[in-house]
Amino acid sequence: EVQLVQSGAEVKKPGESLKITCQGSGYSFTTYYIAWVRQVPGRGLEWMGIFYPADSATRYSPSFQGQVTFSADNSISTAYLQWSSLQASDTAMYFCARRGYRAADNHGMDVWGQGTTVSVSS
Amino acid sequence: DIQMTQSPSSLSASVGDRVTITCRASQDITTYLAWFQQKPGKVPKLLIYAASTLQSGVPSRFSGSGSGTDFTLTISSLQPEDVATYYCQKHDYVPWTFGQGTKVEIK
Repeated sequence: EVQLVQSGAEVKKPGESLKITCQGSGYSFTTYYIAWVRQVPGRGLEWMGIFYPADSATRYSPSFQGQVTFSADNSISTAYLQWSSLQASDTAMYFCARRGYRAADNHGMDVWGQGTTVSVSS
Repeated sequence: DIQMTQSPSSLSASVGDRVTITCRASQDITTYLAWFQQKPGKVPKLLIYAASTLQSGVPSRFSGSGSGTDFTLTISSLQPEDVATYYCQKHDYVPWTFGQGTKVEIK
């Protein structure tokens, strides 16, 4: 079964750092983009950017450039989303999702993680 | 960047009604358009990609059409389990922007 499994909910204080995970299984991890999506409570889906595990190529939405960092450890098929200094405005649900890299495999974001809730409050 | 605009932002329809949601791209995206369904408290689910290709396991009452800048998601006969928010998303070049969502309710 193809799946993405994300790490559990986090409760943090402003200024703290955080790294959440997204582990893929059942498919070739390095042949799919990993996209990150934010959803603030009661709001819509926001595309944060993508990471391509095969060559670590990264593209960030302008809204998130400089605010977060994407990375991965291909040896354990795990992608990471990290913050160096959280703010209250980072409180949201964060999803990872995959999309095929090759044009022939571009079937949209077909598999999603279950989401990680991040709460930031003093 | 290309903007994605959905309409309406919400709708209420009766069980069995035909429901149509539109999505407009600010520039030509050919057919690189996906539709997602998100039920309250749940993970978004891919319904359609490449504008009209139904994802495996998705009921046939869902269909998509369009190309270029104008796209449509149609539910041919609305069912109670279709209550959700629906999002379009371009899936060609970055940024893979989402529409703002359309909330579908039962009248």
